[in-house]
Amino acid sequence: EAGVAQSPRYKIIEKRQSVAFWCNPISGHATLYWYQQILGQGPKLLIQFQNNGVVDDSQLPKDRFSAERLKGVDSTLKIQPAKLEDSAVYLCASSGLAGGGTGELFFGEGSRLTVL
Amino acid sequence: GENVEQHPSTLSVQEGDSAVIKCTYSDSASNYFPWYKQELGKRPQLIIDIRSNVGEKKDQRIAVTLNKTAKHFSLHITETQPEDSAVYFCAAATSGSARQLTFGSGTQLTVLP
Repeated sequence: EAGVAQSPRYKIIEKRQSVAFWCNPISGHATLYWYQQILGQGPKLLIQFQNNGVVDDSQLPKDRFSAERLKGVDSTLKIQPAKLEDSAVYLCASSGLAGGGTGELFFGEGSRLTVL
Repeated sequence: GENVEQHPSTLSVQEGDSAVIKCTYSDSASNYFPWYKQELGKRPQLIIDIRSNVGEKKDQRIAVTLNKTAKHFSLHITETQPEDSAVYFCAAATSGSARQLTFGSGTQLTVLP
């Protein structure tokens, strides 16, 4: 079974520029998560989707971050404009059982963002 | 919301010794507690999890214990090997309609040969 795919793996941008990350979850997984992992810290949830609907985006800085999952499969996370403190690894994860249930979260390799 | 604290932040042990990592959580409604292992530059991977209806779970050299009254849970690794060296994260969540994991800050485990 293919895992969670993310791209790009690495991105370096200047502050105030924009960037987009893409995630393709495991086939059939209805729940998709975006986490931000700052160096030396645990992953922090940014947004959770159930199919193409948002379950929770309370920790997403909506003035600069946006995310969508239009067809309930792939998802895109965008940052515009980027700040220095956005430097982090952005992890996408998916879960196989509707409503969370007992489904294990499977993580992608992450997209490492460096903002200069 | 949920807050998970994890200790220690770094842990060095000799190969063959045991390692213990401890976490506390704040939300009494949390009932699912997974542990993830993350090697440098790699994705977090689930190594063991426990639900609130049991107090202990074991899988070969790895065990997790849960004390719901005290709101803490621990990871125990016995007979450590160099390949156990990694960052370990605990997490807590409710198994409701939308499970959300709140992670601890991580423990860098180094197993010295």
